[in-house]
Amino acid sequence: GAGVSQSPSNKVTEKGKDVELRCDPISGHTALYWYRQRLGQGLEFLIYFQGNSAPDKSGLPSDRFSAERTGESVSTLTIQRTQQEDSAVYLCASSLAWPGLAGGRFYSTGELFFGEGSRLTVL
Amino acid sequence: DQQVKQNSPSLSVQEGRISILNCDYTNSMFDYFLWYKKYPAEGPTFLISISSIKDKNEDGRFTVFLNKSAKHLSLHIVPSQPGDSAVYFCAASAVSGGSNYKLTFGKGTLLTVNP
Repeated sequence: GAGVSQSPSNKVTEKGKDVELRCDPISGHTALYWYRQRLGQGLEFLIYFQGNSAPDKSGLPSDRFSAERTGESVSTLTIQRTQQEDSAVYLCASSLAWPGLAGGRFYSTGELFFGEGSRLTVL
Repeated sequence: DQQVKQNSPSLSVQEGRISILNCDYTNSMFDYFLWYKKYPAEGPTFLISISSIKDKNEDGRFTVFLNKSAKHLSLHIVPSQPGDSAVYFCAASAVSGGSNYKLTFGKGTLLTVNP
C-alpha cells in the first residue's frame, strides 16, 4: 500500500494476556519506529529498526515488551502478560532516512510517516 | 522529566486570523525540531521542521521560529483555516548528539479554527 499499515486497529484484551501488534511500513523504507501514546500524553519512543536490527531498545518499558522485524519489512510488537498501564495507542512509523549532518549542514528532513495506530485496551 | 513542553493544551482562533502554537524544550542537545499535525483516528503527519542553524523556516501558510537562547519554538499559521483544526505536536531530536533516530514529543495542543 501507499502508507504505513497497522493491525489490529483496535484490540481489547484481559489483563495477563499476550498481544501482538503488526506494522507494514512503506515499501523501501529502511527505518521503522514504534511509539506509543497514552491518554493525555505525548508520543513516547519505544524502539527503532534499521533494516532488521534494533540498535536501541532502551525505550521499551519493560521486558514484557519485545519487537522484531523481518525481511526489512513487517514488524511485530509483542506485549506479554499485559497490564492495565499498557493501554495506549501504539503507533508505527517508517522513514527513508533520518536527519543527518554532513559538512555542518542538515541533509534531510527525517520525515516519519506514521500509521493510524493500534488502540490497545487492557481490562 | 518532560523535555519538550507544550503548555497550552488547547487554542481557539477565528478563521483568517493567525494561530501561534508554542513549544519549550529543556535539553540543550536538541538541534532539530519538527511539528506534526494529527486528526482524530489518524496518525500524525509531518508539517514542517527547522534545524538549529536557522531561526526561521517557512512553508506556505506555516512558519516555524526557533529561539535557541530561550529554548523556545513556535509555529505560526497564517491565515488559519477550519481544516487546520487538529492536534499539533512539537518534537525534537539530538541529531549531532547521535540520537537522530529518536524524536521526543510534547503532549500536543488542540487547535480549533472557528468559521
